Amino acid sequence: AQTVTQSQPEMSVQEAETVTLSCTYDTSESDYYLFWYKQPPSRQMILVIRQEAYKQQNATENRFSVNFQKAAKSFSLKISDSQLGDAAMYFCAYRSNDMRFGAGTRLTVKP
Amino acid sequence: KAGVTQTPRYLIKTRGQQVTLSCSPISGHRSVSWYQQTPGQGLQFLFEYFSETQRNKGNFPGRFSGRQFSNSRSEMNVSTLELGDSALYLCASSLTAGGFSTDTQYFGPGTRLTVL
Repeated sequence: AQTVTQSQPEMSVQEAETVTLSCTYDTSESDYYLFWYKQPPSRQMILVIRQEAYKQQNATENRFSVNFQKAAKSFSLKISDSQLGDAAMYFCAYRSNDMRFGAGTRLTVKP
Repeated sequence: KAGVTQTPRYLIKTRGQQVTLSCSPISGHRSVSWYQQTPGQGLQFLFEYFSETQRNKGNFPGRFSGRQFSNSRSEMNVSTLELGDSALYLCASSLTAGGFSTDTQYFGPGTRLTVL
C-alpha cells in the first residue's frame, strides 16, 4: 500500500521569508502523480501544485515550487516570499489508482 | 465554471440513523471521489465513481456506500450511524478516474456530519 508521510505537524515562517514543507511517500509503482493541497481555515481544499513522476523537472507555480527526488521518494514544497494568506494546513498527496494523503502540516505565517 | 458543490453543508444526526450526502461535480467532470476527514485519522479515501461505476474503494465498512448518476452527480450514504462517523466528508471531482490519470481532483467545501 502506498503511504504518505509528512513529518512536520507544524511549521512557522516569518512573512516574506521562505519555508519548506517535507513529504515522503512509499510506493512500488513507477508512474504516479504527487500533489500539494492547501486547506485554509474555511476548509475548502485548494490545489497548490502537482508533479508527474515521469517528469524530472520540478514543478513551479509562482511562489510555490517543489523539490521532487524520485529515487528518494521525497516531494517537498517550498513557499517563497511567504504571505499571511499562506497560513493553512498543507497536505501532500499521492495518486495512482486512488489518492492517499499525508497527515498534514499546519503552517503559521507571522507578520 | 462553477466548482464542486456539496449539500448539505452541515448535518446533525443521532446514532443508528442513516444519512445521505450529495455532491455535484464540476461541469464536464465524470469522476467523483469521497473522503472522510477527522482530526484523528486525517483524510481517508472512501470510494471513487466514474461513469456510474465504482472504480475504487477504501477500507471502510459496508455501512458506507455510494452511487453516481448519469449526470455525474454522486451521493454517499452511511447507514446505522456511529459516533465515530462524525467527520467532514469531502467530495472531489476530476475529468477521469484513477489509474494514471493526469487529472487533478478539485474539492468541494465538504459536509460536516455530527453524530450525537
